[in-house]
Amino acid sequence: ETGVTQSPTHLIKTRGQQVTLRCSSQSGHNTVSWYQQALGQGPQFIFQYYREEENGRGNFPPRFSGLQFPNYSSELNVNALELDDSALYLCASSRQESYYEQYFGPGTRLTVT
Amino acid sequence: DQQVKQNSPSLSVQEGRISILNCDYTNSMFDYFLWYKKYPAEGPTFLISISSIKDKNEDGRFTVFLNKSAKHLSLHIVPSQPGDSAVYFCAARGLQGAQKLVFGQGTRLTINP
Repeated sequence: ETGVTQSPTHLIKTRGQQVTLRCSSQSGHNTVSWYQQALGQGPQFIFQYYREEENGRGNFPPRFSGLQFPNYSSELNVNALELDDSALYLCASSRQESYYEQYFGPGTRLTVT
Repeated sequence: DQQVKQNSPSLSVQEGRISILNCDYTNSMFDYFLWYKKYPAEGPTFLISISSIKDKNEDGRFTVFLNKSAKHLSLHIVPSQPGDSAVYFCAARGLQGAQKLVFGQGTRLTINP
């Protein structure tokens, strides 16, 4: 059974740029959630995707957007990057009927300069 | 608004003794709680969970206790082993339809030989 994978591992961007982060779900999972983890904090929910549609969103501005593909993989896009967007971005997959039992990938470390 | 709080940033315990990690929450509508463990450079991994209709759930060396009246849960690890050294997050299932997990800030547990 393949676990959740994320790419890239690390990324450095400049303020104002755009970034795309990628996630592959664990086999058998149809739901993907994205979280932002700032240094010293717990993960903060960004949004969840199910059946290729957004299925719940946290307190993040519209410049954070996402996609889910038919194979359940997902992308997180962030436009107009700000310095405060520097964080670890975690993707988690689950089955919709038990979405709270989430399996996390290793994360993408984004640094905005 | 921090709905799930872990007030101890770190905890140091002797190998073989009991580790007790604590978590408080403010929203009485949370009905399911989880503990995750996180090693450096890895995503959080699910450890144990408890429904709000129970006050205790046990899995091997790990036991979670829930005190609904105090809005408090704790994770007991006994006996503690060096491999238990990690950051532990408690999380609560979001309100109906919210489709998210709400995480605490985490507690770094160090097991000393």
